Amino acid sequence: GAVVSQHPSRVICKSGTSVKIECRSLDFQATTMFWYRQFPKQSLMLMATSNEGSKATYEQGVEKDKFLINHASLTLSTLTVTSAHPEDSSFYICSARDGGSGELFFGEGSRLTVL
Amino acid sequence: AQKVTQAQTEISVVEKEDVTLDCVYETRDTTYYLFWYKQPPSGELVFLIRRNSFDEQNEISGRYSWNFQKSTSSFNFTITASQVVDSAVYFCALSEGGGGSEKLVFGKGTKLTVNP
Repeated sequence: GAVVSQHPSRVICKSGTSVKIECRSLDFQATTMFWYRQFPKQSLMLMATSNEGSKATYEQGVEKDKFLINHASLTLSTLTVTSAHPEDSSFYICSARDGGSGELFFGEGSRLTVL
Repeated sequence: AQKVTQAQTEISVVEKEDVTLDCVYETRDTTYYLFWYKQPPSGELVFLIRRNSFDEQNEISGRYSWNFQKSTSSFNFTITASQVVDSAVYFCALSEGGGGSEKLVFGKGTKLTVNP
């Protein structure tokens, strides 16, 4: 079946550094990808919608200059957390929509810890 | 505005008990999709079901069953003869629009603990 892969699965960084998380569709072309954030013991909240070849659409309250999203190809979207702070520590999950079938698949998630 | 409410924050049962997880949703759209996902401690989301707003038929898949009632805007999930491996957080989610794969709005989740 279709697989969406996220890398890295876990990352620890120092405050002030930038971290890039990749979301890759392995066997289908993803015209749209979604990035979610999940704080401990909380629900998933949509951060942004990423469309291939165009600028991402951010949800209200999400800083686009802090969370840079790039969807340069039909199989890859990246989320860069710039100048990370401890409050950015969270579980980041992407989902990708198969441009052919329209089905939605989730990645395994990336756990970011900012020290 | 769309909203998903999972009133049960945590549920604890003993193995082999049946358990129902509640989900109530709000939407102004006539076309929408409802989902259930399981999130084990490892964190990944495991897809369980997707149901569109025009299909109110109840569904059974092994020990899992879903009851969709448009009249009460509910999409409840029942696990029959629960097992320890069912322990996880379960999320109900809603997406509006005809594609069923637009952005999802998630409920806050219900943490299910099945004790041996």
